[in-house]
Amino acid sequence: KAGVTQTPRYLIKTRGQQVTLSCSPISGHRSVSWYQQTPGQGLQFLFEYFSETQRNKGNFPGRFSGRQFSNSRSEMNVSTLELGDSALYLCASSQTGDETQYFGPGTRLLVL
Amino acid sequence: AQSVTQPDIHITVSEGASLELRCNYSYGATPYLFWYVQSPGQGLQLLLKYFSGDTLVQGIKGFEAEFKRSQSSFNLRKPSVHWSDAAEYFCAVGPQGGSEKLVFGKGTKLTVNP
Repeated sequence: KAGVTQTPRYLIKTRGQQVTLSCSPISGHRSVSWYQQTPGQGLQFLFEYFSETQRNKGNFPGRFSGRQFSNSRSEMNVSTLELGDSALYLCASSQTGDETQYFGPGTRLLVL
Repeated sequence: AQSVTQPDIHITVSEGASLELRCNYSYGATPYLFWYVQSPGQGLQLLLKYFSGDTLVQGIKGFEAEFKRSQSSFNLRKPSVHWSDAAEYFCAVGPQGGSEKLVFGKGTKLTVNP
């Protein structure tokens, strides 16, 4: 099976812009979670989607949002970008009944 | 709230030496426990996991970890380190019961000297 894929892999934006990141889970996985990784804060949970519904949410401002489609693909959006949003954004998928999360390669976002 | 502590930010070992990376967690019940590895610029690769049963779990690349409930620890070990093991290692805890949120430690960066 193909692994979790994320597009784009790299992105450069300027402050105030918005960005959309995409994640395709492993085939058959219905749960998708997003994490932000920064040198200062480490890995932090953003949100989790299952069957097109947000099931869990981390402690991030409302500028961070996401959605999931009927084919389990997920997108996350960050509006009004700030310099502090520069990070590696990781997507992970898991199968129903298995708590193991499998991660994609990440999207590295740089905000100038 | 659950938390994970990896006391060692950076560890340096010689190739062929043994390795132990420490992980302590704080959680109200028996959690699911994971070790992931991340090479520079890459995502996280699952090394091993503990859900229940035998407290010594084997993973990929010759790694193993031991769950010790009395010490709230889940230390990662490898008997002989290879230069390709140089990477950052993350311990994570996840709740049982279907919520898909992982809490990660800050990571331990491993350097391997030739």
